Amino acid sequence: KAGVTQTPRYLIKTRGQQVTLSCSPISGHRSVSWYQQTPGQGLQFLFEYFSETQRNKGNFPGRFSGRQFSNSRSEMNVSTLELGDSALYLCASSLGRSGNTGELFFGEGSRLTVL
Amino acid sequence: QKEVEQNSGPLSVPEGAIASLNCTYSDRGSQSFFWYRQYSGKSPELIMFIYSNGDKEDGRFTAQLNKASQYVSLLIRDSQPSDSATYLCAVNNPYNTDKLIFGTGTRLQVFP
Repeated sequence: KAGVTQTPRYLIKTRGQQVTLSCSPISGHRSVSWYQQTPGQGLQFLFEYFSETQRNKGNFPGRFSGRQFSNSRSEMNVSTLELGDSALYLCASSLGRSGNTGELFFGEGSRLTVL
Repeated sequence: QKEVEQNSGPLSVPEGAIASLNCTYSDRGSQSFFWYRQYSGKSPELIMFIYSNGDKEDGRFTAQLNKASQYVSLLIRDSQPSDSATYLCAVNNPYNTDKLIFGTGTRLQVFP
């Protein structure tokens, strides 16, 4: 059974650019959650998508957005990049809503560096 | 006050000892509690969950929950160098935020 796949694994952008990250969940999983991980702040919740609908959102500015497709694949986008957006972005899938199961399966992450 | 608090460590224990990792949370209505392990350069993986007050054992791991004190802990018996990792506590309140809130993690080092 394939795990959660995130692409790209590494990317370097400059301030002001935008970036799109992709996540393919485990087959059959309908929920995709996105987290930002930095050394100082740990895992910060960005948003969760379930059945193509955003079900929950963390305390991030509107520059951070996402969507989910009918095949459960998800993308997140960050516009007008800032230096502070440099982080590891983790996608996690779960069978049901993450708040119900708590069992998240994480991808390897996309490491974003903003110069 | 952070929603989920953990001592960042590192917590250093000798091989064979018991490692005790602690976590406190602020939302009294929290219902579910999880421990994830994250090796350096890897993504987190779930190792334990607990819903009811008391202890839950799984092999060398024991999760302890005290809702009155808003405290959850993870004990690792017979610690091995392969247990060296960051341990993340996660908490959920399905009636409130309905999302997993993670602590910043405690780094555990087990030395031979």
